[in-house]
Amino acid sequence: GENVEQHPSTLSVQEGDSAVIKCTYSDSASNYFPWYKQELGKRPQLIIDIRSNVGEKKDQRIAVTLNKTAKHFSLHITETQPEDSAVYFCAASGASNTGKLIFGQGTTLQVKP
Amino acid sequence: DAGVTQSPTHLIKTRGQQVTLRCSPISGHKSVSWYQQVLGQGPQFIFQYYEKEERGRGNFPDRFSARQFPNYSSELNVNALLLGDSALYLCASSLEGGNQPQHFGDGTRLSIL
Repeated sequence: GENVEQHPSTLSVQEGDSAVIKCTYSDSASNYFPWYKQELGKRPQLIIDIRSNVGEKKDQRIAVTLNKTAKHFSLHITETQPEDSAVYFCAASGASNTGKLIFGQGTTLQVKP
Repeated sequence: DAGVTQSPTHLIKTRGQQVTLRCSPISGHKSVSWYQQVLGQGPQFIFQYYEKEERGRGNFPDRFSARQFPNYSSELNVNALLLGDSALYLCASSLEGGNQPQHFGDGTRLSIL
C-alpha cells in the first residue's frame, strides 16, 4: 500500500547548523511532495513543495531535493534558528490525482540557542 | 485575506453520538480536503471535494461522510462515534482539486468520552 517513511523522528541541532530530514515513498506514481511545519497546538503550515519533474527547489534557507529513481526526498534547512523548532512532516501525493496526501510520521526538530 | 476557518475549535461528545464539523476555504479556493490527525502522528486523508463532487476518499469507514456547498464550504459528518475517533480534524483548501498545494486550518479538536 501507499506509505511514506520519515527519518529521523527527532533531531537536535545547534543554532546556525544545518538540519536534514529524509523521506521515502512507496508509490512510484506519486508526483507531488510538500513539506509542512507544525508548531505545538498550531496548524500544519506549507513551507515548500516540489513536483516530480524537478530535482531541487530552494526558498531562502530551505531546500528540498527529490530522487525519483530511489523514491526519496529530503528537506534541508541551513543556518537554523530557534524559531525553526517544530514538528516537520513530509508528504507524497497518492495515485490518481485525488488530492490525497500521505504523510510521514513527523520529525521533531529542536534548535538549541 | 482570511485563511481556512474551521468550527467549532473544540468539541466533546460521547460514544454513539453524531458530530458535524465545518470548514470555510480560503477565498477563491474551490477544493476542500479533510484529514484526521491523532496525537503524535501525521494527518491521515479522509476526503477531498472539488466543485461539490467527491474527488478522493481515504481508508475510513462509512460512518464518515462529507459534502461541499455551492459557496465551497464543507461539512464533515461522523456517525456512531467511537473512542478512537478522538483526534484533531483538519480541513485544507486548495485552488483546484487534485495534487495542488493544500493550506490547513487550525482544526477541530474532537474528544470522545
